[in-house]
Amino acid sequence: GQNIDQPTEMTATEGAIVQINCTYQTSGFNGLFWYQQHAGEAPTFLSYNVLDGLEEKGRFSSFLSRSKGYSYLLLKELQMKDSASYLCAGGGGNAGKSTFGDGTTLTVKP
Amino acid sequence: DADVTQTPRNRITKTGKRIMLECSQTKGHDRMYWYRQDPGLGLRLIYYSFDVKDINKGEISDGYSVSRQAQAKFSLSLESAIPNQTALYFCATSEPGTHNEQFFGPGTRLTVL
Repeated sequence: GQNIDQPTEMTATEGAIVQINCTYQTSGFNGLFWYQQHAGEAPTFLSYNVLDGLEEKGRFSSFLSRSKGYSYLLLKELQMKDSASYLCAGGGGNAGKSTFGDGTTLTVKP
Repeated sequence: DADVTQTPRNRITKTGKRIMLECSQTKGHDRMYWYRQDPGLGLRLIYYSFDVKDINKGEISDGYSVSRQAQAKFSLSLESAIPNQTALYFCATSEPGTHNEQFFGPGTRLTVL
C-alpha cells in the first residue's frame, strides 16, 4: 500500500523553525515530494527527494529515509506568508502519477 | 501568462446536469492529470493521461469521464452531476525525465446543488 500520513495542523511563531513530518508505506514510490498550497490556490512544488538525506533550498529543507518510510519538511526563519497547507506526495520518476497525503495546515503567529 | 489554465474558475450547477471542465497548457508537457480536493483533504486523482492516445483511471474515476483532445488540452466531464461532486478541481501537467513534479492550474470551484 501507499498510505501517506502527516499531521493535520501545526502552529508556530514567526522567526522560529518548524518540522512537518510525513510517513508512508515503503513500497511503490520513486521519491517523495513536498508542495505548498495557500488557501484557495493551486499547490506549488517545493522539493523532491529520491535519495536518503537532507536537501537544502534556502529557508526550506527536506529529508528522506527510504528504509523508514519517513520524510520531513523543515522551515526556518518562519514568515507570516509561510502560513499554508503543506502536502507530502509519493511518486515521481517515470511512474508519473503521485499519491498525496491530506496535507498539514501550518499557522504562523506573530 | 499562466502555463496551465482552467475554465470555468467557478461553476454552480444543479443535480443531474452535464458539466465539462476544461484545462489547457502551454508548457508542452505530455502528461496531464485531473484531481479533486475536498475541504481539509489532499488531492485525489480522478484520471490521468500520458499522451493523446492514453487515458487512465485514477483512484476516484466513477461518475467522471475525460477527453484528451490534443497534447495541450484535457477536459473532465461530469455526465450527471450529484451534490457529493461539489469540490475544488485541479488540472496538472508534468514531464517525464525530470523529477516529474506537477504544475497545477488555478482550480475550478464546482458546486452541485
